[in-house]
Amino acid sequence: DVKVTQSSRYLVKRTGEKVFLECVQDMDHENMFWYRQDPGLGLRLIYFSYDVKMKEKGDIPEGYSVSREKKERFSLILESASTNQTSMYLCASSPGLALDNEQFFGPGTRLTVL
Amino acid sequence: AQSVAQPEDQVNVAEGNPLTVKCTYSVSGNPYLFWYVQYPNRGLQFLLKYITGDNLVKGSYGFEAEFNKSQTSFHLKKPSALVSDSALYFCAVRRDHTGGFKTIFGAGTRLFVKA
Repeated sequence: DVKVTQSSRYLVKRTGEKVFLECVQDMDHENMFWYRQDPGLGLRLIYFSYDVKMKEKGDIPEGYSVSREKKERFSLILESASTNQTSMYLCASSPGLALDNEQFFGPGTRLTVL
Repeated sequence: AQSVAQPEDQVNVAEGNPLTVKCTYSVSGNPYLFWYVQYPNRGLQFLLKYITGDNLVKGSYGFEAEFNKSQTSFHLKKPSALVSDSALYFCAVRRDHTGGFKTIFGAGTRLFVKA
């Protein structure tokens, strides 16, 4: 089974802190994604990566950056956390270039910014 | 632009009854349609997908979905609901190759199945 793990299930940070969310997948997937999940809004794509060192902006990239130095690891960085970034963050991965491939999700990190 | 609508925030059904969770989409080109489920305190899990071919798609846990091109819908169905089906369900759409890898998710529908 594909396993996508996220470094923390719950995280509490203060406004202005730099925050790192880590995601690791163990199935050699090319594509990795970061979403945030908010009630009534579903999942919104922040950034995705289709290869090492490659990244593409999603629909809501403002206030976030990403890093993919190794194929299995995709990090989401909040340069200066703000209260409106309090949310559930979900990482996902999918194999190859075929667009019909489903995504495999991690358990999520619930981030609270005080 | 791509979009997905799940018109119901919540669906309530009695155990043993059939259930339907609705989804409509808007996309130019050929749609790739997905259903995911999220159980409490867990990430999303893939249920089923429509790419092409038969309009009735069967997936995990006894779920199925019907693709209707004229109504641009992809409703999720199950003939007999279980209490354990209670969860948050997301419909998602991806465009064909011109849309790249971006998947658009609906807002989600919470399903409550009462014993």
